[in-house]
Amino acid sequence: GAGVSQSPSNKVTEKGKDVELRCDPISGHTALYWYRQSLGQGLEFLIYFQGNSAPDKSGLPSDRFSAERTGGSVSTLTIQRTQQEDSAVYLCASSLGRNNQPQHFGDGTRLSIL
Amino acid sequence: GESVGLHLPTLSVQEGDNSIINCAYSNSASDYFIWYKQESGKGPQFIIDIRSNMDKRQGQRVTVLLNKTVKHLSLQIAATQPGDSAVYFCAENYSGNTPLVFGKGTRLSVIA
Repeated sequence: GAGVSQSPSNKVTEKGKDVELRCDPISGHTALYWYRQSLGQGLEFLIYFQGNSAPDKSGLPSDRFSAERTGGSVSTLTIQRTQQEDSAVYLCASSLGRNNQPQHFGDGTRLSIL
Repeated sequence: GESVGLHLPTLSVQEGDNSIINCAYSNSASDYFIWYKQESGKGPQFIIDIRSNMDKRQGQRVTVLLNKTVKHLSLQIAATQPGDSAVYFCAENYSGNTPLVFGKGTRLSVIA
């Protein structure tokens, strides 16, 4: 498909386990964003990649969270030693990376920590 | 409006009526604004955007109005349809190429 693709769509894991979430952005989009949406809440920024620049990690809630973007395309968000408060929908968005271009979102990964 | 946790403000409209969803944004330096529609189990879907050098922009059945003086954004949906039922978020950023700051969201419920 032509949109942002995220996998898995759902992930259930035990507290303390590590999880990896994947995002395939729209082809040609140089900017990639991760957001988190807790139940009934708005979206909270986590991390942002733009081309080859150092990522903006200012939204990561703790050092248990990290993300990579390989080859300027696919990104993985890793959460180590998961805790129950990490339960949320993790959304990825991409954009053309130029001014005044909208971000387009995937359908997210619903993460549940038992 | 404001929302706390699960209690999103809800707008209920009759099918065929016009809907107006309001948003107060926070940063006077923001110069790019977007409205998103989010259906249950889906990611936010882009509806329409507007730059700060405009005060109105129209799309198909939707109009966005921007009042920079009072930092207010609104989304008007004409002839609301049942398929318009969703949560609507406004979002803002500076220069369009930075992380978005999202509003709390408004749930639109269309009564057939």
